[in-house]
Amino acid sequence: GENVEQHPSTLSVQEGDSAVIKCTYSDSASNYFPWYKQELGKRPQLIIDIRSNVGEKKDQRIAVTLNKTAKHFSLHITETQPEDSAVYFCAASDQKTSYDKVIFGPGTSLSVIP
Amino acid sequence: EAQVTQNPRYLITVTGKKLTVTCSQNMNHEYMSWYRQDPGLGLRQIYYSMNVEVTDKGDVPEGYKVSRKEKRNFPLILESPSPNQTSLYFCASSLLGASREQYFGPGTRLTVT
Repeated sequence: GENVEQHPSTLSVQEGDSAVIKCTYSDSASNYFPWYKQELGKRPQLIIDIRSNVGEKKDQRIAVTLNKTAKHFSLHITETQPEDSAVYFCAASDQKTSYDKVIFGPGTSLSVIP
Repeated sequence: EAQVTQNPRYLITVTGKKLTVTCSQNMNHEYMSWYRQDPGLGLRQIYYSMNVEVTDKGDVPEGYKVSRKEKRNFPLILESPSPNQTSLYFCASSLLGASREQYFGPGTRLTVT
C-alpha cells in the first residue's frame, strides 16, 4: 500500500525566512496531495492541495510543488510569521474504483522564532 | 454553521468496556472517515465510508467497528478497548471523497486504563 514519508520532523526558522517541508510517496497511482496545518490543540485544516496533472500551485505565501517522476512533493512557506508555527501534515490519496483511501505523513513541527 | 461534531470530547475508560464515539456532519458530505493521531505517527486512517451502508478499512482498523446508517452520522465503536487504543481521535468528512478537502471534527481524547 501507499507509504508517505515526511522530512524534517522538526523545523525552526527565524521570522521572515522561508520554510520547506518535503514528502515522498510510494504509490505511483496516487493523484491528490493535500497539506494540512494543525495548530496546538486544534483540528487539522487544509491549507493547500495539488493534483497529479499540475506541477506547482501557489496561494499567497504558500506554494506546493509536485514531481511525479521522483514521487515527491514539497510545501514552501515564504516570509514566515509566528502564526505559521504549527504541525504540518502532507498526505497522498489514491482513488481506486469508487473507494478513497488517504495516507498522511508523520508531520513536521514548524517553529517560527520572532 | 457547517461543521463536524464529535462526542464525547474527552473520555477515560477501563479495558474491555465497550464505548462509542459519535460523529455527525451537517454539510451533506458523502465521504466520512476516522483517524487516530499518535505522537510521531501522524494521522492514521481507521475506517472510511463513501456513502450510506458503504464502509471500508483504512490502515489501522483492528479493534474498531463503524457503521453508516445515515448520511450525516458515522460512529466509531470500540467493542473491547485496550490501552493501546489510547489516542486522539478525529472524524472527518468531505464532499465526494479523499481527493477533496476533508473537514475535521474537534477531536476526542480517549484514555484506556
